[in-house]
Amino acid sequence: NAGVTQTPKFQVLKTGQSMTLQCAQDMNHNSMYWYRQDPGMGLRLIYYSASEGTTDKGEVPNGYNVSRLNKREFSLRLESAAPSQTSVYFCASSSDRGYSYEQYFGPGTRLTVT
Amino acid sequence: AQSVAQPEDQVNVAEGNPLTVKCTYSVSGNPYLFWYVQYPNRGLQFLLKYITGDNLVKGSYGFEAEFNKSQTSFHLKKPSALVSDSALYFCAVRDSTDSWGKLQFGAGTQVVVTP
Repeated sequence: NAGVTQTPKFQVLKTGQSMTLQCAQDMNHNSMYWYRQDPGMGLRLIYYSASEGTTDKGEVPNGYNVSRLNKREFSLRLESAAPSQTSVYFCASSSDRGYSYEQYFGPGTRLTVT
Repeated sequence: AQSVAQPEDQVNVAEGNPLTVKCTYSVSGNPYLFWYVQYPNRGLQFLLKYITGDNLVKGSYGFEAEFNKSQTSFHLKKPSALVSDSALYFCAVRDSTDSWGKLQFGAGTQVVVTP
C-alpha cells in the first residue's frame, strides 16, 4: 500500500517548456487535489477532482491544466512554464465518505523554472 | 469564505516542556478542523481532526488539540516535546456547508525543539 505517489521528485524547466506531473493513489479515494507550496503561504489549491471524470478550479489555476485519467490517477500539466511556477507541488487524495475528510499527501515534486 | 490563522511563524521550546501551536479559524457553517505536520523535504502527514463530539481530540505521536467554539480556536498541544517534533505544522479547516472537500490551510508554524 504505497498511498499517494508522485513523479518526478525534482524537475528543472526552462521558461516556455511544458511538462506533466503525475500522481496516483491506491486507497480507492474519490477526491484528488493538486496544491502548490510556497514559503510563508501555506498550501494553495490549484485544481481538484471530486470524482472520476470531473475537475474544477481551485484558488490558483492559471497556467495549469489537469486530467483525472481514472479513479487512481490525477495529472497536472504546465503548458508553458514561467518562473512564477517555481514551487513545490503536492498531490493529495481523500475518501470523503462518512467523516473521513482528511487528505493524504504525496511526497511532492520540487519544480524550478529558469 | 473560510480562513485559518496561525499567528506564530515559529515556536521555540525546550525538550521536555509543553508545546502549543495556535490556530484560529473562520467559517460560515460548522468547522471541520485538521492538523498536519511536515518534515523537511516530505509531504504533509495527517495528525488529527475534529469533526464533531468531544472537544479534545487525540492524534498521532502524542499530540492533542482542543476545539473551542466560542474562541474559534483549535490549538495543537503536546505535554512533553521531543527534539524529533521539530517540523512545520499546518492547521486546516473545511466548512461543513461546502459540498466538496476544499481545505483552507494556514501559513504554517515552524516548531523548533532544542535539547
